[in-house]
Amino acid sequence: AQRVTQPEKLLSVFKGAPVELKCNYSYSGSPELFWYVQYSRQRLQLLLRHISRESIKGFTADLNKGETSFHLKKPFAQEEDSAMYYCALRYSGGSNYKLTFGKGTLLTVNP
Amino acid sequence: GAGVSQSPSNKVTEKGKDVELRCDPISGHTALYWYRQRLGQGLEFLIYFQGNSAPDKSGLPSDRFSAERTGESVSTLTIQRTQQEDSAVYLCASSPWDRVAGNTIYFGEGSWLTVV
Repeated sequence: AQRVTQPEKLLSVFKGAPVELKCNYSYSGSPELFWYVQYSRQRLQLLLRHISRESIKGFTADLNKGETSFHLKKPFAQEEDSAMYYCALRYSGGSNYKLTFGKGTLLTVNP
Repeated sequence: GAGVSQSPSNKVTEKGKDVELRCDPISGHTALYWYRQRLGQGLEFLIYFQGNSAPDKSGLPSDRFSAERTGESVSTLTIQRTQQEDSAVYLCASSPWDRVAGNTIYFGEGSWLTVV
């Protein structure tokens, strides 16, 4: 069975500092991995996905199959990055595209 | 509509009553998901519909919970004999289904349920 672990429930950094939100997964097949973000009073939205290899709002995430990790990183955190971040995993094949989420990390960026 | 629409946005109900939560997915999206988010907790998968396939009900916490979907459109999540522990935000999401990897899942704003 697939599982997503976000070891940090809370993460607090100062503005301008680097930030890394950890995500580890367990899945026997070839996974699709995503980061979702929920800003205060807004709906959950996709931040980025590993297959796109994109940088969104300065955030990047690299899939490391050896370490089964998909950590989210940003070199210089901004106050507007304060939000709840969820890592998510999905099958990349078959007929079941259920998305499994981690429990989330609340990031606070202090001025 | 432009996005996933959920109703009601807020519902306060008495313990023991039944509630129905509605989700209108994005037009053309064949996959529909229900998740639950309790205060201070992560997202908990409830049920998944994909086209005409049998739904994946593996996340429903008890037989008080059920969900239906009419074709590839509206879905209703029903909670019978509500309990205080059912208080949570119930999130609906939809996505197009095809075998191309990386389909984005779009979430509604959620239905806030409070059982008193």
